Amino acid sequence: GEDVEQSLFLSVREGDSSVINCTYTDSSSTYLYWYKQEPGAGLQLLTYIFSNMDMKQDQRLTVLLNKKDKHLSLRIADTQTGDSAIYFCAEMWGNEKLTFGTGTRLTIIP
Amino acid sequence: NAGVTQTPKFQVLKTGQSMTLQCAQDMNHEYMSWYRQDPGMGLRLIHYSVGAGITDQGEVPNGYNVSRSTTEDFPLRLLSAAPSQTSVYFCASSWLTGQRAEAFFGQGTRLTVV
Repeated sequence: GEDVEQSLFLSVREGDSSVINCTYTDSSSTYLYWYKQEPGAGLQLLTYIFSNMDMKQDQRLTVLLNKKDKHLSLRIADTQTGDSAIYFCAEMWGNEKLTFGTGTRLTIIP
Repeated sequence: NAGVTQTPKFQVLKTGQSMTLQCAQDMNHEYMSWYRQDPGMGLRLIHYSVGAGITDQGEVPNGYNVSRSTTEDFPLRLLSAAPSQTSVYFCASSWLTGQRAEAFFGQGTRLTVV
């Protein structure tokens, strides 16, 4: 089956940029997503990118997609304490099924 | 606009009991699905539906049943709860058209089976 991999932890100083990486295996994925999960909460949709795009920017968030290498990244500019959370990447296949990575826990250092 | 609503938020069951986790969406989305989240494993797909009257199995369907009699509702039934079903359950609904592919999640149901 499909496999999505992320590193488990990332620590970044407040004000710096955070870059969270993800690799996936299903070349037929149509959409790729980034979700944010704060402790005890649900998954908040941050952004998504269509597989025929290379980049998408939305305020402090930049998504880069390298389809050849099956690599997806999320850059958060000017990282704030409120950005502390677990970030999940996910790939959509079959129009209704998401395969998730294990999540990256982002810690902000004051 | 409530989005995706799950009830209950918390539940404790005894082994062998049955219960239904409720999920409702008010966005008229065609696609709905159930995931479970376990530590260190991300989210795994249990069952999904591409429309009213149509359901199919995901990655970890054993021990769970679903039905989709309306577009809005997609309940998940545990027939005979087991401790291995202790988890956080998330319902999602999605809508894809052209380059819009919105997939939203409920706030989750934390289930403990003792």
